[in-house]
Amino acid sequence: SAVISQKPSRDICQRGTSLTIQCQVDSQVTMMFWYRQQPGQSLTLIATANQGSEATYESGFVIDKFPISRPNLTFSTLTVSNMSPEDSSIYLCSVKGGQETQYFGPGTRLLVL
Amino acid sequence: GENVEQHPSTLSVQEGDSAVIKCTYSDSASNYFPWYKQELGKRPQLIIDIRSNVGEKKDQRIAVTLNKTAKHFSLHITETQPEDSAVYFCAASSRGGSNYKLTFGKGTLLTVNP
Repeated sequence: SAVISQKPSRDICQRGTSLTIQCQVDSQVTMMFWYRQQPGQSLTLIATANQGSEATYESGFVIDKFPISRPNLTFSTLTVSNMSPEDSSIYLCSVKGGQETQYFGPGTRLLVL
Repeated sequence: GENVEQHPSTLSVQEGDSAVIKCTYSDSASNYFPWYKQELGKRPQLIIDIRSNVGEKKDQRIAVTLNKTAKHFSLHITETQPEDSAVYFCAASSRGGSNYKLTFGKGTLLTVNP
């Protein structure tokens, strides 16, 4: 399985500001995903980040709020823009391995005051 | 799109007993069904998965069964231990290639009492 790291592991931010979360994988992967997990809730897919093309966003998530970069096959960033307290959550990146298996990064815990 | 229902939302068992978690899915095209275990403060970890061409898969104390006709699949944990306590998520993948994505159930909080 792929080794996935995320930065930062946690942060406390003021409303109205933006935070960029980084995701690094130890091997080249075609598909990377960004999820949100609110406290006590399930995993909600924000978008699929594909190298060399625009990210594909799920219903309820827009590029202006969650811009994503995917400059190469081992790295992606998710920015949470113009944050409000409702954005307080855990943000997880994930990669698709062989035969549809999917592995998760350790997550970024975000608290917006 | 795909919809995955998971039951129960909480499950409490005595150590040594078995635990069963059930999921149903809506898209008959779904063909891959993983289960994840998430301990408090940790990332979801893939514990077992099954593909639509198989009816059952077992890995030590964990097994998954799939009924494609009824569109449901289940996780079975035997001889439960306190370290099995966690939130378990089922998921279904209904697309392949560049359209691949997983849809998750709402999770089951399993508590194994010593």
